[in-house]
Amino acid sequence: QVQLVESGGGAVQPGRSLRLSCVASGFAFKNYDMHWARQAPGKGLEWVAFMSFDGSKEYYIDSVKGRFTISRDNSQNTLFLQMNSLRSEDTAVYYCATIYSYGMDLWGQGTMVTVSS
Amino acid sequence: DIQMTQSPSSLSASVGDRVTITCRASQGIRNDLGWYQQKPGKAPKRLIYAASSLQSGVPSRFSGSGSGTEFTLTITSLQPEDFATYYCLHYNDFPWTFGQGTNVELK
Repeated sequence: QVQLVESGGGAVQPGRSLRLSCVASGFAFKNYDMHWARQAPGKGLEWVAFMSFDGSKEYYIDSVKGRFTISRDNSQNTLFLQMNSLRSEDTAVYYCATIYSYGMDLWGQGTMVTVSS
Repeated sequence: DIQMTQSPSSLSASVGDRVTITCRASQGIRNDLGWYQQKPGKAPKRLIYAASSLQSGVPSRFSGSGSGTEFTLTITSLQPEDFATYYCLHYNDFPWTFGQGTNVELK
């Protein structure tokens, strides 16, 4: 069925790195722009990063610029988020999603990242 | 960056009530706005796209209105399954931003 499944979350110390993955199935992943969003415990949703369908464009929220990198492998139907120099304020559930105003709006179930010493 | 100010942050209502939630953009965003419902432990679910279009499969008691800087989500006749947190999301330009959320709880 049409779905997104995130993985790669876990507990990590401040300053360390983590790479999240999001595997798409049931639709033509290579044709879809993709996003990462996050939600800190008990807090609201925050958009984090975007990558165009062909990987030619990427955008980030200011607080992760220079630390996080979004990428994709269309041959493997997979979206990635490389997170370096992690901070306690990066602790959140991370969602991958494809969001089109007049089309698909599909979210994964989320993966938890905890940054703590 | 475009900021989204959502109000109220929480509200108490009863089954059958009419509920209105507002989002205000810091600059004009045409109709580039969606409304989402989120329940605890679940991913957000879109209710409204392009400010006023109902997402397929969403009950007609949900409606959206507005354009430019002022947007409204209305739930007519609140149902038990509607107690949740609601967010607006603008996608006019990057970075996209969500409103702060409105928690709709049982009175």
